[in-house]
Amino acid sequence: QKEVEQNSGPLSVPEGAIASLNCTYSDRGSQSFFWYRQYSGKSPELIMFIYSNGDKEDGRFTAQLNKASQYVSLLIRDSQPSDSATYLCAVIYTGFQKLVFGTGTRLLVSP
Amino acid sequence: DAMVIQNPRYQVTQFGKPVTLSCSQTLNHNVMYWYQQKSSQAPKLLFHYYDKDFNNEADTPDNFQSRRPNTSFCFLDIRSPGLGDAAMYLCATSRDGGPAGDHYGYTFGSGTRLTVV
Repeated sequence: QKEVEQNSGPLSVPEGAIASLNCTYSDRGSQSFFWYRQYSGKSPELIMFIYSNGDKEDGRFTAQLNKASQYVSLLIRDSQPSDSATYLCAVIYTGFQKLVFGTGTRLLVSP
Repeated sequence: DAMVIQNPRYQVTQFGKPVTLSCSQTLNHNVMYWYQQKSSQAPKLLFHYYDKDFNNEADTPDNFQSRRPNTSFCFLDIRSPGLGDAAMYLCATSRDGGPAGDHYGYTFGSGTRLTVV
């Protein structure tokens, strides 16, 4: 059973702080890793994609991947109230083209 | 802009009355997916089409069917909706992978919120 685990939260941070979201996955054959943001009642929106060990930065967002530990994280710097949403971690496993999602972490950024 | 379009945005159906949700794409992607997402849960893959080949997930109920008449369109049919089928239904597309670590161009539609009364 290929699983993607996330803490459901909510994770509460004040405006301007760094939000750290974490995700673990069960299969070492995992190939590609995605972070999606989902507002209530909306479809998932791609924030970051990473496939190599290390950090990948895009604006206020940094994705970190550690394949040895089967761990991927998303850092949001200078968090804004508009960042309040559910963040979904998703994985593509080698040999499969299907996205497998975690249950998501709800982030609340207070003004 | 190339995109994935789902219709309708909201659908209300009666218990047991067949309902069809539609998805179209202008990306010319060869793979189309249907996900079901219930409140506070992860999107759950129901099935996908790889070109014309239908691939059902093992735990997808028989009540759910799909059709893909051509590359651009894909339909989700729920033969006898129950109260437990109320959810957001997400259509997504992707293309064949490129170099190692490719993201396959995954694109989601806006979703259809299904209510069963």
